[in-house]
Amino acid sequence: KAGVTQTPRYLIKTRGQQVTLSCSPISGHRSVSWYQQTPGQGLQFLFEYFSETQRNKGNFPGRFSGRQFSNSRSEMNVSTLELGDSALYLCASSLGTGAYNEQFFGPGTRLTVL
Amino acid sequence: AQTVTQSQPEMSVQEAETVTLSCTYDTSESDYYLFWYKQPPSRQMILVIRQEAYKQQNATENRFSVNFQKAAKSFSLKISDSQLGDAAMYFCAYRNSNSGYALNFGKGTSLLVTP
Repeated sequence: KAGVTQTPRYLIKTRGQQVTLSCSPISGHRSVSWYQQTPGQGLQFLFEYFSETQRNKGNFPGRFSGRQFSNSRSEMNVSTLELGDSALYLCASSLGTGAYNEQFFGPGTRLTVL
Repeated sequence: AQTVTQSQPEMSVQEAETVTLSCTYDTSESDYYLFWYKQPPSRQMILVIRQEAYKQQNATENRFSVNFQKAAKSFSLKISDSQLGDAAMYFCAYRNSNSGYALNFGKGTSLLVTP
């Protein structure tokens, strides 16, 4: 069974631009979560989607948004990029939303904002 | 909000030896899950082991085991017979319904394995 895939793997943008990251979950998984990883703040939860609905959102500004499609694939969008948005963005999928559901992580997208 | 603390930024262990990574957490909940994740240089997060708070028995997965002390809010990871492939960042994480089931991670411990 294929794992979680994220595209692109690397991205370079300039301040003020916007970016869209994509995540394809493991087949059959309906929940997708996004995390931001930076050296300073560590791993922080962005949001979770289940069956095309946002179920949970972390403490990030409205510039960060996401969505989930009917095939469970998810995208996250960051508008008006800032230097501090440079990070590794990790996507994780699971069968459901309960705490007992193991989250399987993708390889991440490395975003660099210049 | 729940907090997860890993007090050891770096640890070192010799091959074949045993090492213990520490993790403490703060919560007022009684029902939750705790996890240890491994992140090698490839950056792929891999679940190492998990513990349900309602289970008194410590979880074990091959060479990996935990010491779960619920009253002390402590959740340490023991790696036995360390191998070079164990070198990675290790993150302790907490999850429960009040956090919307989002994983709440500690800052991580970098484990170096020396031959």
